[in-house]
Order: sequence, then C-alpha cells, then structure tokens
Amino acid sequence: DTAVSQTPKYLVTQMGNDKSIKCEQNLGHDTMYWYKQDSKKFLKIMFSYNNKELIINETVPNRFSPKSPDKAHLNLHINSLELGDSAVYFCASAGVNTEAFFGQGTRLTVV
Amino acid sequence: GENVEQHPSTLSVQEGDSAVIKCTYSDSASNYFPWYKQELGKRPQLIIDIRSNVGEKKDQRIAVTLNKTAKHFSLHITETQPEDSAVYFCAASKRTGANNLFFGTGTRLTVIP
Repeated sequence: DTAVSQTPKYLVTQMGNDKSIKCEQNLGHDTMYWYKQDSKKFLKIMFSYNNKELIINETVPNRFSPKSPDKAHLNLHINSLELGDSAVYFCASAGVNTEAFFGQGTRLTVV
Repeated sequence: GENVEQHPSTLSVQEGDSAVIKCTYSDSASNYFPWYKQELGKRPQLIIDIRSNVGEKKDQRIAVTLNKTAKHFSLHITETQPEDSAVYFCAASKRTGANNLFFGTGTRLTVIP
C-alpha cells in the first residue's frame, strides 16, 4: 500500500485553466503538506494542514487553495493557471514524532 | 519563519571518497533536523535525522553532526558509491506538533566511478 498517494502524476494544461491535484495518506498522520519544487529543485512549503486546520500559508498566491475534506486528504486547487506555476508539486504527511513521507509528485506543465 | 541554508549546491567526488554537506538554520527553537535524498524523478526520502539532544548520529556509511550553539548541522557520507548520486536536502523543524519542515536548497551529489 502506498503511504502517500497523489494524482495525477502528470498534468498538462493551458494558461487560465483551473485544475486540482489530489492527495491521500493512509498513515493516520495529523499533518499534511503541499510543497512546490521548481526547475532548480528548490523545495518550498506552500501549505500545512493539521487536523483540517490551515496552520501555515507561506507567500503563495491566493489562486492556490488547499482543501481538506478529512484528515486523510489534502487536495490542491489552482485557479487561473500561469506559466510560472509549472513545477513538481509534492504532497507529504507527518505525525507528531514521525518523519515526513512524500507522495510521488505531480509534474504540472502549463502551456 | 525558519531559514535554512545549504552548501555546496553541487558536489562531485570519486567513488570511495567521502562527501560532506553543510547546513545552517536561523531559528534557535528548531530541534529536529532530517536529511532527505531525492533520486532523479523520485520523491524525497528520509535517510537520517537527528534531534537536538544528540550531537552525532551514525547509520552505516552515513553520519550527521549537530552544533546547536553555532546552529549548523552536517551530513557525512563515507566510502561513496555511484548509487549515492542524488540531490540531498537538509531540513529543520520545531517539532511542536505542527511539524513544519523547512528545507535547504539542496546539494546535487555526483559520485564518479
């Protein structure tokens, strides 16, 4: 069983479109995250959810909105996609005293 | 928030040599320091971590050292092998339940056979 799974793995879309990336974890962790990895491989945290409450929101455009229907899911919705949004997006989860586990990543390409 | 700096950005070593990657952090409240390895096209995966009550930790060919006073920590890989080639990230966290991991900028390690 995959601990943290995200879909889709690849996403190609046109500028201006709205898209969502889904993430699910089966580890029983309380905290889930979204990270953005750009072409230079920098890993930047975007959002963190703890027990369905947003606890940090780094300087991310409000076109990005995390949605957590329950503790096991944290989806990322992106409105009005821009070329600069092209990147690999990683979902992750962690428990109070556990390491962070990452999903396999979603490569988003905006054309 | 926390600011983690990592050096070098690229590192090439001959197979069998040692590799050292260094990180500094800004928030003295950080007390958990993991290292992640990311192979090409794969997800980051934890290889070793250290908590602030420990100065050094070793796992086979990999070791991590922590100097809380100076706010820096390092990853040491001995007897490097070609399969060690990857991007390595250090990270820092306060571990207060929120588990907010702040990553360094990554080091691309190349082990030359």
